[in-house]
Amino acid sequence: EVQLLESGGDLVQPGGSLRLSCAASGFTFSTYAMSWVRQTPGKGLEWVSGSGDNTYYADSVKGRFTISRDNSKNTLYLQMNSLRAEDTAVYYCVKGSGGSTYSAPEYWGQGTLVTVSS
Amino acid sequence: DIVMTQSPDSLAVSLGERATINCKSSQSVLYSSNNKNYLAWYQQKPGQPPKLLIYWASTRESGVPDRFSGSGSGTDFTLTISSLQAEDVAVYYCHQHYNVPFTFGPGTKVDIK
Repeated sequence: EVQLLESGGDLVQPGGSLRLSCAASGFTFSTYAMSWVRQTPGKGLEWVSGSGDNTYYADSVKGRFTISRDNSKNTLYLQMNSLRAEDTAVYYCVKGSGGSTYSAPEYWGQGTLVTVSS
Repeated sequence: DIVMTQSPDSLAVSLGERATINCKSSQSVLYSSNNKNYLAWYQQKPGQPPKLLIYWASTRESGVPDRFSGSGSGTDFTLTISSLQAEDVAVYYCHQHYNVPFTFGPGTKVDIK
């Protein structure tokens, strides 16, 4: 059974940093694309970044966020720097249906809440 | 960026009746090299993450009831629930993974009439 367990969400001040983690199990982590998708009541679902055969970022986070993965630990990360109020959201870790970053998001974790506020 | 629009914003359907949700992309999401539409549909219930229902526009994910079906190609797509059940109350999203940045529709809320 595929399991994705996010952690690291917290309340952080504007300009601060946070690192999200996603522990994966139930599949061969290294062979699948993984991504981060965030959700806010106002903006709905927003794709943030993906890591598969290539790595991509949304323009809104490019230069501030870094996606990485440790295949030996079956863990996906999202390093978030220079956080802004508009980054406040529930962040989901998502497994792709294949190895390509362009594969459809298949399984979603339960999400972790990031709140950026002073 | 490819903009995804959905209609209607919400709909209420009687139990056992058909529900139809439309999704339109601002440009084609059909990849000519493999003739696949990079379009997926998700169901999200309150307090839960989205769940994949349909991929490649019309392929039902394993375990998804056959009352859910997807159709369309290019820029116009439809999700149909042939006979609405109480457990289908949710928000439904379409999603294009054809071009970066990948984008989602705003969602359609489905309720029981």
